[in-house]
Amino acid sequence: NAGVTQTPKFRVLKTGQSMTLLCAQDMNHEYMYWYRQDPGMGLRLIHYSVGEGTTAKGEVPDGYNVSRLKKQNFLLGLESAAPSQTSVYFCASRTGSNPLHFGNGTRLTVT
Amino acid sequence: AQTVTQSQPEMSVQEAETVTLSCTYDTSESDYYLFWYKQPPSRQMILVIRQEAYKQQNATENRFSVNFQKAAKSFSLKISDSQLGDAAMYFCAYRPNSGYALNFGKGTSLLVTP
Repeated sequence: NAGVTQTPKFRVLKTGQSMTLLCAQDMNHEYMYWYRQDPGMGLRLIHYSVGEGTTAKGEVPDGYNVSRLKKQNFLLGLESAAPSQTSVYFCASRTGSNPLHFGNGTRLTVT
Repeated sequence: AQTVTQSQPEMSVQEAETVTLSCTYDTSESDYYLFWYKQPPSRQMILVIRQEAYKQQNATENRFSVNFQKAAKSFSLKISDSQLGDAAMYFCAYRPNSGYALNFGKGTSLLVTP
């Protein structure tokens, strides 16, 4: 069991470039989440999914899009990166009432 | 909207001593879950302890215990016999049973000194 795997671990983008962060889980979890972590701000929810083919907005969704075409994968897209999107991004998943399992994070820098 | 407040940005404790990290939350729900997560410098998010609101008994995991005061909407974490490896960022989090998302506080950075 790999748990929750995030790809890539690090990335540097220029303003206006696009990219996709991949989250994969092998635990058959229904719920998947994308959070961003900024200094002094804790973790803030970007988007989440309660099942294959469904997505919903979280607290800070602007500038991001997501897709969950397969139950095990949850993709986070940045169409036109901005410096304000420099952050550490965490994917997480869970099943039922169980706690979240987190990936190891992706550090994204937008210059 | 539910909010989670951690009023201590930084705390310090000596090795082998006890420290308590504070957390309060705001909700109109009666059924919910509370969590403490630890984030060491490795950036990993590690579950420390979990509390179901319907349980009156405070959760305990080895040296970690909570003081859950439902009426006061308070959920503090006590770390006993602190170890150098306890140094980390600690996040309090809340999720209503009726909801999907986990809401986090801004975190408390714990320093453990020899």
